[in-house]
Amino acid sequence: AQSVTQPDIHITVSEGASLELRCNYSYGATPYLFWYVQSPGQGLQLLLKYFSGDTLVQGIKGFEAEFKRSQSSFNLRKPSVHWSDAAEYFCAVALSGGYQKVTFGTGTKLQVIP
Amino acid sequence: ETGVTQSPTHLIKTRGQQVTLRCSSQSGHNTVSWYQQALGQGPQFIFQYYREEENGRGNFPPRFSGLQFPNYSSELNVNALELDDSALYLCASSLDRGNYGYTFGSGTRLTVV
Repeated sequence: AQSVTQPDIHITVSEGASLELRCNYSYGATPYLFWYVQSPGQGLQLLLKYFSGDTLVQGIKGFEAEFKRSQSSFNLRKPSVHWSDAAEYFCAVALSGGYQKVTFGTGTKLQVIP
Repeated sequence: ETGVTQSPTHLIKTRGQQVTLRCSSQSGHNTVSWYQQALGQGPQFIFQYYREEENGRGNFPPRFSGLQFPNYSSELNVNALELDDSALYLCASSLDRGNYGYTFGSGTRLTVV
């Protein structure tokens, strides 16, 4: 069964520092890959997605992610974190074709300190 | 775009009761999915509806059921509520089955006591 692992439950960074959130997936083929962000009391917002092609994907709010097939990873990065980036981040995978069952990781909570 | 709206925002029910959660999808989106997000967990896929028919289901028992209506609204029904059903329930709509551009609602927080 496909699975997603986010090894970091909680990360704290200083405002202005760089950020990298880790995500590893387990699946026989390359799935579709996503990163979502969830602010407290809110639904999820799609930051970026990877289906195929260029392995470096640009998203909204200055985020990017890099797909590395050899490592089964899809890490999220941002060069300079803003206080408003404090939220919970979810990596997710989906099968191509068929219905849209998206499998989410358990999330990484980001705290930004001044 | 009107986005995805869910109602109610919060709900408290007693174990054994039945509950109906509602979702109004973004106009033109013919696919709706429901997710359960327990505290401290990622969302878990319940099921998906496409053009008013169930199009896929996750590992949830039959007491979780749904409906999708022609006016882009949908319902999640849960019978015989259990304490473990306490969670945030998220509705997500997308333009089509092959389109993974989900728009999520803010969710309904269900507490079962």
